[in-house]
Amino acid sequence: EVQLQQSGAELVKPGASVKLSCKTSGYTFSNYYMSWLKQMPGQNIEWIGNIYGGNGGTGYNQKFKGKATLTVDKSSSTAYMDLSSLTSEDSAVYFCARGGSFDYWGQGVMVTVSS
Amino acid sequence: DIQMTQSPSSMSASLGDRVTITCQASQDIGNNLIWFQQKPGKSPRPMIYYATNLANGVPSRFSGSRSGSDYSLTISSLESEDMADYHCLQYKQYPLTFGSGTKLEIK
Repeated sequence: EVQLQQSGAELVKPGASVKLSCKTSGYTFSNYYMSWLKQMPGQNIEWIGNIYGGNGGTGYNQKFKGKATLTVDKSSSTAYMDLSSLTSEDSAVYFCARGGSFDYWGQGVMVTVSS
Repeated sequence: DIQMTQSPSSMSASLGDRVTITCQASQDIGNNLIWFQQKPGKSPRPMIYYATNLANGVPSRFSGSRSGSDYSLTISSLESEDMADYHCLQYKQYPLTFGSGTKLEIK
């Protein structure tokens, strides 16, 4: 069974950074891309970027360049997203989702930026 | 970036009604569109792939169609479990872009 398990909710201070994880199981991690997405409350979903599990190659939405950094650890079949210089505009739910078909999603993680 | 204009933003319908949600693409995306259903507090679930293909396990009352740059998700006979938000996604061109979403409520 394919599973994407995201790390827990985060409360972080403005200006800080946070690293989110998406641990996968049930499929060959290195054969698929992983996308990361942002959803602010009551708003539409934004695609942040994706990363290929095989070689770590990345593609970013220009809007999130400098904000998000995607990495993978093939040994643990885990994808990561670093968010830097956090502001209130980064408070949102963040999802990981598999491949170009978005057929499997993590459960989402709420990031709250507040002093 | 390709803009996906989704309508309506919200709607209320009765059980058994036929419901249609539409996304209009600002550029040619071919059939490179996915429809998602999202229930409160949950992750999106793909319902329709490649504009018209039903995803595995999705009830047959859901269907997708295309007319030019307009893409539609139709529920032929609304059931209570269909209350959710619906989103379209184009994956023809980076950055991938979503519609603004439709909140579907049951009268």
